[in-house]
Amino acid sequence: EAGVTQFPSHSVIEKGQTVTLRCDPISGHDNLYWYRRVMGKEIKFLLHFVKESKQDESGMPNNRFLAERTGGTYSTLKVQPAELEDSGVYFCASSQGTSHNYGYTFGSGTRLTVV
Amino acid sequence: SQQGEEDPQALSIQEGENATMNCSYKTSINNLQWYRQNSGRGLVHLILIRSNEREKHSGRLRVTLDTSKKSSSLLITASRAADTASYFCAVGGNTPLVFGKGTRLSVIA
Repeated sequence: EAGVTQFPSHSVIEKGQTVTLRCDPISGHDNLYWYRRVMGKEIKFLLHFVKESKQDESGMPNNRFLAERTGGTYSTLKVQPAELEDSGVYFCASSQGTSHNYGYTFGSGTRLTVV
Repeated sequence: SQQGEEDPQALSIQEGENATMNCSYKTSINNLQWYRQNSGRGLVHLILIRSNEREKHSGRLRVTLDTSKKSSSLLITASRAADTASYFCAVGGNTPLVFGKGTRLSVIA
């Protein structure tokens, strides 16, 4: 079974530019999550999809971040325009169900550096 | 906040020794999960312990949960250099997993 795939693995962009991160979850996993870890800090929740619907987007920092999950398959996270504080590692995870009963399978992350 | 908080922040041991990491949380939970992250990689799910369980084993891993103290511990026995990683606890329930800052474990060969 293929795992969770994230692309790109690294991205270096200038402040003000746009970046789009992609996540391909495990096939059949309805639940998809985005998390972010800023250097030395905790892994923070961004948002949760159930199929194509946003179940919880309480962790999205501001309206410069836009997440989509077209057709309930892969997901994209766009940052526009990027700011220096957006630098960090963005993780995607998927699961068969919610954290009430299931663990998550994570991708390797996208390391975003905004300069 | 449901956020788990790991202790210690960093731990360095010799290969073959046991490593113990602790996690505390603040609210009632449905379950508590432990994850490992190797440098540059994603998080790997290690074990899930439910609120009505007190202890769980998986290979060289032993997890305990004390809901009265709102704490959990992860014990890695007979550690190996390959166990070097960051370990995170996460609180599970009706909301997405909430992670702490992790414990950085270094196992020296």
